[in-house]
Amino acid sequence: AQSVAQPEDQVNVAEGNPLTVKCTYSVSGNPYLFWYVQYPNRGLQFLLKYITGDNLVKGSYGFEAEFNKSQTSFHLKKPSALVSDSALYFCAVRDTSPGGSYIPTFGRGTSLIVHP
Amino acid sequence: KAGVTQTPRYLIKTRGQQVTLSCSPISGHRSVSWYQQTPGQGLQFLFEYFSETQRNKGNFPGRFSGRQFSNSRSEMNVSTLELGDSALYLCASSLAETYEQYFGPGTRLTVT
Repeated sequence: AQSVAQPEDQVNVAEGNPLTVKCTYSVSGNPYLFWYVQYPNRGLQFLLKYITGDNLVKGSYGFEAEFNKSQTSFHLKKPSALVSDSALYFCAVRDTSPGGSYIPTFGRGTSLIVHP
Repeated sequence: KAGVTQTPRYLIKTRGQQVTLSCSPISGHRSVSWYQQTPGQGLQFLFEYFSETQRNKGNFPGRFSGRQFSNSRSEMNVSTLELGDSALYLCASSLAETYEQYFGPGTRLTVT
């Protein structure tokens, strides 16, 4: 069965510092990987995805993520955090290989708090 | 383009009743998925529809069902409501094969 782990419930970072939100996954086939963000009282928003190609994926709002196949990780990063980046971040995976489940699995979410 | 809309936004039902939630996808999106979000279980996949056909189904009891219409609008139904069904139900739409999902604001269901 596929799974996603976000090992940190909360990440605290000072404004202007780089941030990393961690995600590791487990699938039997080739993963499609996603990051979503949920701002307070707002729906989830798509940030970026990895399907194939370059391991470094760039997305919305200056975020990027690095796919590491050997470590089965897909960490979300941003070079300089903003207070407005404070939100709940979700990592998700789909196994789209032949015979794969195709069912999306989400991590439990990581609360990012950026301090002024 | 208008985003994904869900109605109603809030709902209070009594245990044993049934409920129908509605979702209108972004124009041009033919794939619609439903999720249940709770503090304890997080975000869990219910089902996914594409061109009126259920393409994938999560691990939920048969009390949870859905359908998609020819205009891509979707409904989900929960029968014989239980207290544990209290949750935020999210609908998401996407273009056919991108799997890049756009979520609606959700329907907050409270079962008393």
